[in-house]
Amino acid sequence: DGGITQSPKYLFRKEGQNVTLSCEQNLNHDAMYWYRQDPGQGLRLIYYSQIVNDFQKGDIAEGYSVSREKKESFPLTVTSAQKNPTAFYLCAAGDLGGDLQYFGPGTRLTVT
Amino acid sequence: QKEVEQNSGPLSVPEGAIASLNCTYSDRVSQSFFWYRQYSGKSPELIMSIYSNGDKEDGRFTAQLNKASQYVSLLIRDSQPSDSATYLCAAPSGSARQLTFGSGTQLTVLP
Repeated sequence: DGGITQSPKYLFRKEGQNVTLSCEQNLNHDAMYWYRQDPGQGLRLIYYSQIVNDFQKGDIAEGYSVSREKKESFPLTVTSAQKNPTAFYLCAAGDLGGDLQYFGPGTRLTVT
Repeated sequence: QKEVEQNSGPLSVPEGAIASLNCTYSDRVSQSFFWYRQYSGKSPELIMSIYSNGDKEDGRFTAQLNKASQYVSLLIRDSQPSDSATYLCAAPSGSARQLTFGSGTQLTVLP
C-alpha cells in the first residue's frame, strides 16, 4: 500500500445519500487516480488529477465528483446520481515522470 | 478505444509448476507494461514492469514483451500456493499517465 491511505475500509449507505471517500498520500506524487472495481472485473478509471486544483474525467465519471485542493489529498464523492454505486473503490498515485501507479488499500462501498 | 485483453481463466497449476499468464494490447505506441497481483479482497500490488522487448526477470517472476506481436506475458516459476491471486496486466493510455487494465486472470496454485 505504500504511503497511500484510504478511509474508511468499509462503508454502508442508504440509496439517495451522497458519500465521500478519503484518499491521502505521502509519496509526494503529482498524479492521483480513482478507480472502481466490480466483482470479477478489471479496474475502470473514474477521475484523475495531475496537479492541485485540476482534474479530468475518466471513463466512468457520471455520478461522481472529486476535488484536489492539496497535493496529498484527492477525495471522491459518490453522489445519489450514480446508479450502481456498490463497488470496491481504489485510489492510486503516481509520478508524472513515469507510468507507475501505486494503490491504496481500497474502500468497499455498499449502498442499499 | 485502447484495450488490454487477458485470458480470464481461471488458471490452475500444481505447486512447483510454471504458471503462464498472457496479455495482448491494442495500442502500438505503448512503451511500458505492468503486472499487478491482487489477492482476494485486497488492492492491486505492482510486481513487474517491463519497458523493452525481451525478458525481464525478478526472482521467480519473468515478464516477456513482444512489441511486434503486441503481447506481454508473465511467467511464475516454482509456483507456490501463496501465488494464488488475480493477476492484472496494465498499459499506459492517453497523455496523462493513465493506465488501462485488463480484466485479470485468476490463478490458483494447488498444493
